[in-house]
Amino acid sequence: QQQVKQSPQSLIVQKGGISIINCAYENTAFDYFPWYQQFPGKGPALLIAIRPDVSEKKEGRFTISFNKSAKQFSLHIMDSQPGDSATYFCAASKIGNTGKLIFGQGTTLQVKP
Amino acid sequence: EPEVTQTPSHQVTQMGQEVILRCVPISNHLYFYWYRQILGQKVEFLVSFYNNEISEKSEIFDDQFSVERPDGSNFTLKIRSTKLEDSAMYFCATERERTRDTQYFGPGTRLTVL
Repeated sequence: QQQVKQSPQSLIVQKGGISIINCAYENTAFDYFPWYQQFPGKGPALLIAIRPDVSEKKEGRFTISFNKSAKQFSLHIMDSQPGDSATYFCAASKIGNTGKLIFGQGTTLQVKP
Repeated sequence: EPEVTQTPSHQVTQMGQEVILRCVPISNHLYFYWYRQILGQKVEFLVSFYNNEISEKSEIFDDQFSVERPDGSNFTLKIRSTKLEDSAMYFCATERERTRDTQYFGPGTRLTVL
């Protein structure tokens, strides 16, 4: 019940295309859903996050779509750029808990020029 | 922009040896975490720490692991007797408040146990 399942494992997109990464969770107590971006040799960096009281959050080219009833959320990267090539992790956490983040398995995104 | 720093960047040790991984949190942050990432796998929670106490620990964080903040600045993870399976990237993360708007991750320490 603590798992967050992420797909696909890897993704190749042409420059200018849309990258879509999906995550699903089981624990309905989760109420904070961040996405982290990780470049090789670096630590994960927060990209964008959403709480379940909204269905969508947009920051620049990055959008999170959230479907509470389906217990799914996804990251959309519009106008994907080669600089977006990285590993993306979704995560989940519970407010009022210790702050522990449960991560998905990660998606390696390659944006071809 | 303030950042979390970790030392060393790479630690090679023999099985059975003790290692200490160090983290310097962002100065006004109060909540501290250790995560690890085995090569090619997901990031896994190890332990959370607040007010000089462990708030929560995972099943991975057994008696061989300990954390402390000895001088009010550094936050350390100690592995008393390393095993081959402890080889991983260890990330420190820190947070200013429990709103969880941002957990800032350090660059990590790559631990290699031979």
